[in-house]
Amino acid sequence: NAGVTQTPKFQVLKTGQSMTLQCAQDMNHNSMYWYRQDPGMGLRLIYYSASEGTTDKGEVPNGYNVSRLNKREFSLRLESAAPSQTSVYFCASNRRELPNYGYTFGSGTRLTVV
Amino acid sequence: DAKTTQPNSMESNEEEPVHLPCNHSTISGTDYIHWYLQLPSQGPEYVIHGLTSNVNNRMASLAIAEDRKSSTLILHRATLRDAAVYYCILRGGSNNNDMRFGAGTRLTVKP
Repeated sequence: NAGVTQTPKFQVLKTGQSMTLQCAQDMNHNSMYWYRQDPGMGLRLIYYSASEGTTDKGEVPNGYNVSRLNKREFSLRLESAAPSQTSVYFCASNRRELPNYGYTFGSGTRLTVV
Repeated sequence: DAKTTQPNSMESNEEEPVHLPCNHSTISGTDYIHWYLQLPSQGPEYVIHGLTSNVNNRMASLAIAEDRKSSTLILHRATLRDAAVYYCILRGGSNNNDMRFGAGTRLTVKP
C-alpha cells in the first residue's frame, strides 16, 4: 500500500518552461489536494478536488492549473514557470471532504525555477 | 476563518513527556482540532484530531479545554524521532477542504 505517490521528486526548470507534477493515491480516497511550502513556512493550498470530476481554487491558485484525471490521479500544471514558483509541492488525499477525517500526504516534489 | 496560535519552538529532553500547546480562541462549534507533524524533508503526517473530548491514539494524546479555546498535544515519552514541526489546525466551517497550515511549533528533543 503506497499511499500518495508524487513524481518527480526533484525538478529544475527554466523560467517560462512548463511542466506537470503527478500525484496518485491508492487508498480509494475521494478528495485530493495540492499544497506548496516555501522555506520556513507552513503549507498553502493551491487547488483541491473534493471528488472525481470537480476542482476548486485554494489560497494561492495563480499560475497553476489542475486536472483530476480519475479518482486516483490529480495533476498540477505550471504553464509558464516563474522563479516565485520555486517551492516544495505536496499532494494529499482524504477519504471524504469532512472535517473528521485526516489527510495523507505524499513526500513532495522539490521544484526550482531558475 | 478560525486561526490557531502556537509557540514557534519548544525543547524537550528524551524520554520526558512533551506538552505542545495551541490556542484557538475563535473556534466555532463545528470545528475539529487536527494535529500534524512534519519531519525534515517529508510531507506532513496526520497525528490526531478531536472535537470536544480528549483523544488517545498510538502516537499521542489530545487534551481539549472545556471551552475548546485551547488544546494540547501530549507526547508521553519524547524520542529523538519526535523532533519535527507540529501543526495545530482547525477544520470545519464553510469549507472543509481549506485546511490552513500556520508556521507550527518546531520541537527539538535533546538526548
